[in-house]
Amino acid sequence: SQQGEEDPQALSIQEGENATMNCSYKTSINNLQWYRQNSGRGLVHLILIRSNEREKHSGRLRVTLDTSKKSSSLLITASRAADTASYFCATSRISGGSYIPTFGRGTSLIVHP
Amino acid sequence: EAQVTQNPRYLITVTGKKLTVTCSQNMNHEYMSWYRQDPGLGLRQIYYSMNVEVTDKGDVPEGYKVSRKEKRNFPLILESPSPNQTSLYFCASSPRQGGTGELFFGEGSRLTVL
Repeated sequence: SQQGEEDPQALSIQEGENATMNCSYKTSINNLQWYRQNSGRGLVHLILIRSNEREKHSGRLRVTLDTSKKSSSLLITASRAADTASYFCATSRISGGSYIPTFGRGTSLIVHP
Repeated sequence: EAQVTQNPRYLITVTGKKLTVTCSQNMNHEYMSWYRQDPGLGLRQIYYSMNVEVTDKGDVPEGYKVSRKEKRNFPLILESPSPNQTSLYFCASSPRQGGTGELFFGEGSRLTVL
């Protein structure tokens, strides 16, 4: 079962604009991670935010986490054409006493030059 | 270079012909996992392994087998492939036993079953 769901499914913006994508999840989590996937390639880890953190930054990326609403957002500021990719959130759900990362369906971001 | 290596990267096979997709990581990670990615469905977990000789089913294990005899290798076995197993497969590993840390992904194996 997919724990996290990204929204929107697709996002198209112009270079220089900010891109915001959201992730909602259903059950308690240990942490939430965001990944990027260039077309057909392996996923690359972007950022991890723990359940006791509310905001985290990494370069042009800003991630927020609201555990009361069971949601997270990823903001990419001053987007570039090279940011064109799919973005996935992954949440760690508990299974048999261990945390298992599960992924949503992703947001497809297109940044037009 | 730290990496997860999958082979083959591309494979076309026929229904019923057993195949194995290999996965190897050189980072001494305890946790390893297989995912399949299909259009509109995102990544779905097939099997995962917390450590050597410890494996468990993910969300879509039917038609697949795995083994973890060594820490570095986690092969995915399709005993009798069927067309609905046509997909893009990813192997991933993580240094945290519970898989709570960053996942490192291979480049993917695109499988077509005719």
